[in-house]
Amino acid sequence: AQKITQTQPGMFVQEKEAVTLDCTYDTSDPSYGLFWYKQPSSGEMIFLIYQGSYDQQNATEGRYSLNFQKARKSANLVISASQLGDSAMYFCAMRENGSNDYKLSFGAGTTVTVRA
Amino acid sequence: DTAVSQTPKYLVTQMGNDKSIKCEQNLGHDTMYWYKQDSKKFLKIMFSYNNKELIINETVPNRFSPKSPDKAHLNLHINSLELGDSAVYFCASSQDINNEQFFGPGTRLTVL
Repeated sequence: AQKITQTQPGMFVQEKEAVTLDCTYDTSDPSYGLFWYKQPSSGEMIFLIYQGSYDQQNATEGRYSLNFQKARKSANLVISASQLGDSAMYFCAMRENGSNDYKLSFGAGTTVTVRA
Repeated sequence: DTAVSQTPKYLVTQMGNDKSIKCEQNLGHDTMYWYKQDSKKFLKIMFSYNNKELIINETVPNRFSPKSPDKAHLNLHINSLELGDSAVYFCASSQDINNEQFFGPGTRLTVL
């Protein structure tokens, strides 16, 4: 079964506007972590933001914020004030802490294109 | 300073050959990983080592053999390369379960 679902294969956003990338997850582990990574066309994987399952507040890192809705099992990434350099593929990932193997399970990714 | 480095960045080889990809991290992390990203950009864990011990082997053919000579290195050796092995291979490391994984730049393997 797919643990991470990203339903938007591609999105366009106007420069300076905000964009929300959807991510839903599936786990029975009460302790887990949710991550977002950015992969620009150059290929490297860049860590953006982390949300722990027990964190009371939504995570924020600069222009990135995570809309964590635990009951709905969703962890959407919000990018505010989009810039041309935000054009990239974005991956949502989950680590289930009960497994003791620390691996990340990734979604299929969402390609974001920022238009000038 | 490069946190997680991989060599080579590109690798083009013939079917049937044996090749290795090296990974080193200078972050002092205990856990290292190998991921494979296929042509559809899907990322999947292959192996994970914690303190030089194998903790994940995700149904990877035994033609793939990871080797961890010390905590800072996790190399990937691939025997008898097949066309389907063509992909981008990422090495990553993390300190513990509460921290993010840092990825290397990736190695694009092309098998002809």
